[in-house]
Amino acid sequence: DGGITQSPKYLFRKEGQNVTLSCEQNLNHDAMYWYRQDPGQGLRLIYYSQIVNDFQKGDIAEGYSVSREKKESFPLTVTSAQKNPTAFYLCASTIYRDPTGELFFGEGSRLTVL
Amino acid sequence: DQQVKQNSPSLSVQEGRISILNCDYTNSMFDYFLWYKKYPAEGPTFLISISSIKDKNEDGRFTVFLNKSAKHLSLHIVPSQPGDSAVYFCAATSPRGNTPLVFGKGTRLSVIA
Repeated sequence: DGGITQSPKYLFRKEGQNVTLSCEQNLNHDAMYWYRQDPGQGLRLIYYSQIVNDFQKGDIAEGYSVSREKKESFPLTVTSAQKNPTAFYLCASTIYRDPTGELFFGEGSRLTVL
Repeated sequence: DQQVKQNSPSLSVQEGRISILNCDYTNSMFDYFLWYKKYPAEGPTFLISISSIKDKNEDGRFTVFLNKSAKHLSLHIVPSQPGDSAVYFCAATSPRGNTPLVFGKGTRLSVIA
């Protein structure tokens, strides 16, 4: 079945550690996105990539890094520079230049910093 | 500076009645609007959308209305069911989908049996 797979679903990290969240899609979508959800804050864009080997910062990119070496994969690294990393992270994808802009989301990864 | 605003953080409705969720936007370049539904610990799922060339779109129990002059849209759910209890996000994009979706903060709908 086609879809977006995020892993791990739950992750615990000690302060000062970097962690990488995986996002893989087999929908043949060109564009991929990372959002962060905090209570009462909605979905805030971290990074996005519309083609392989290219990505842009979103509204809250500080303390995060991404790579897009393959069309199917868009991993997100939460670095120790991210001051408040505990959140629910959502990966999404879409066809590039889809006029509807409809995003397909993964199931999410919850990161907790201990 | 929020471009998409959902001013009601929560809404409670009795089962069988109408639920009306509101959304306002400030960017006049937005030309496509979407509603997503989200359950806890899951990814959002697409619910319904509307293009700026229309003022209404209906899909079963769900209808979205767009008032361009007021920069306002609303989602109507009739009749409301307990399974509709979730967080609903309004989102907008422009131009022609080449920019990432901008989301509102969401409204938590509780449908009471």
